[in-house]
Amino acid sequence: AQSVSQHNHHVILSEAASLELGCNYSYGGTVNLFWYVQYPGQHLQLLLKYFSGDPLVKGIKGFEAEFIKSKFSFNLRKPSVQWSDTAEYFCAVNERRDDKIIFGKGTRLHILP
Amino acid sequence: GAGVSQSPSNKVTEKGKDVELRCDPISGHTALYWYRQSLGQGLEFLIYFQGNSAPDKSGLPSDRFSAERTGGSVSTLTIQRTQQEDSAVYLCASSFRAGGSETQYFGPGTRLLVL
Repeated sequence: AQSVSQHNHHVILSEAASLELGCNYSYGGTVNLFWYVQYPGQHLQLLLKYFSGDPLVKGIKGFEAEFIKSKFSFNLRKPSVQWSDTAEYFCAVNERRDDKIIFGKGTRLHILP
Repeated sequence: GAGVSQSPSNKVTEKGKDVELRCDPISGHTALYWYRQSLGQGLEFLIYFQGNSAPDKSGLPSDRFSAERTGGSVSTLTIQRTQQEDSAVYLCASSFRAGGSETQYFGPGTRLLVL
C-alpha cells in the first residue's frame, strides 16, 4: 500500500538551531513531492514542492528539501529556525499515474524562544 | 473571492445522528478534495472530484460516508449514523485541476465531535 512516513512526531528546538525533518515514501514509480505547513490557527499551506529537475528545492521562509531517489526520501531542512517556525509540517507524495496526494502523519515543531 | 471556505466551523452531534459538512472551493478550481485529520493520524484522503468526472471515492472509510458536488462547485460531505470514531477535523481543499502537480488550497476545516 502507498505510504508516507514522517519519523519525527514531535521536535523541540531552540531558536537558531538547524532543522531536518525526515520523510520517506513507499512508491516505486515517478512521484511528485510536497511539504505543507500548518501554523497555529491557520490553514494548511504549501511550503515547497518537487516535480522534476534539481533535486534540491527551495521554498518559502528559508526552507529547502532534497529529493534522494535512491533513498525514497524528501527531507525538509532549514539552517537556522525562528520562533515563528513553530507549526505542524506534513510531507505528501503523489504517484504521477494517480491524482491523489497521500499525506504523512505530520511533525509538530516547537521552537523555544 | 478569497480562499476555500467550510461550514460549520464546529459541529457537535450525538452518536447515530447524520451530519452534513459543506465546502466552497476557490472560484474556477475544478478539483475538490476531502480529507480527515485525526489526532496523531495526519491527513487521511477521503474523496476527490475533478470537473464532471466520476469522483474517486477510494478513501471513504465506510458506506456511512458520502459526498456530492453540485454544479461543479460547492461540495457536501455527509456522514450518516455518526460514530464516536468519526470525531475529527474534516478538511476540504481545491486546486485549479486535479493532478499531483497542482497545489492544493485548504479550507479552515470543520471540527466534528460525536458524543
